[in-house]
Amino acid sequence: SAVISQKPSRDICQRGTSLTIQCQVDSQVTMMFWYRQQPGQSLTLIATANQGSEATYESGFVIDKFPISRPNLTFSTLTVSNLSPEDSSIYLCSGTGHSNEQFFGPGTRLTVL
Amino acid sequence: KQEVTQIPAALSVPEGENLVLNCSFTDSAIYNLQWFRQDPGKGLTSLLLIQSSQREQTSGRLNASLDKSSGRSTLYIAASQPGDSATYLCAASTYNNNDMRFGAGTRLTVKP
Repeated sequence: SAVISQKPSRDICQRGTSLTIQCQVDSQVTMMFWYRQQPGQSLTLIATANQGSEATYESGFVIDKFPISRPNLTFSTLTVSNLSPEDSSIYLCSGTGHSNEQFFGPGTRLTVL
Repeated sequence: KQEVTQIPAALSVPEGENLVLNCSFTDSAIYNLQWFRQDPGKGLTSLLLIQSSQREQTSGRLNASLDKSSGRSTLYIAASQPGDSATYLCAASTYNNNDMRFGAGTRLTVKP
C-alpha cells in the first residue's frame, strides 16, 4: 500500500491570504486527487492532479481558487487562494496505484479567521 | 451521476456484538467499491476494496459484500471491539477512480 504524507497537518490563516498544501507519496501512483471534507460532512472531490499538465476540476471548483501542481508522479500541491471562513475544512490528498485501491493522506485541517 | 447513501448515520453497540453497516449506490455499472475508516480529525484508512467482478472481500474480522444488481454493499464486523469505534465510509466508482463518490458515513461506537 502507498504511504501518503501531507504538510502542514493544520494551519490557521487570515481572510484573503492563501495556503499551499503539499502531498508526497512514497511510491509511484497512477492518479492523485484532492478532496475537501467540510465540518461534519463527507468527502467531495476537488480535482484530479495530472502530472505535468493542468488539473481536471469537478463542478463547482475552479483553477483560480484551487490551483494544483503535480510536477512528478509522487508529489502534488494544492493552493487554496483568497481564503474566506467558508474554506475552513479538512483537505485530503489521495492516490491510486495499479490495483485501483485508493489511499489517503492524513489531511490538512484549515481554519480561516 | 453516482449517489451513495449509508444507513444508519450512527450506531452504538456493546463490545463483542457482530454488526452490519449498509451502503447503497444508484448506478449499478460500478467499477469498484471501497470501504474506509476515519478516526476523528484523521485521514482515511482503506479497509477493503471490491472490484466489480467480485462479490466479497475479507480481512480479519471484516467482510465486505457487493451486490451490483440491488445496488448494495455491506460491511460486516465480527466480535466488535472498542477500538473499532470510528466513522466508516463507503465510496463507489463508476468508470474509474476519477469519479469516486462517498457516502456520508456511519459513526460507530462500540461500548466496553
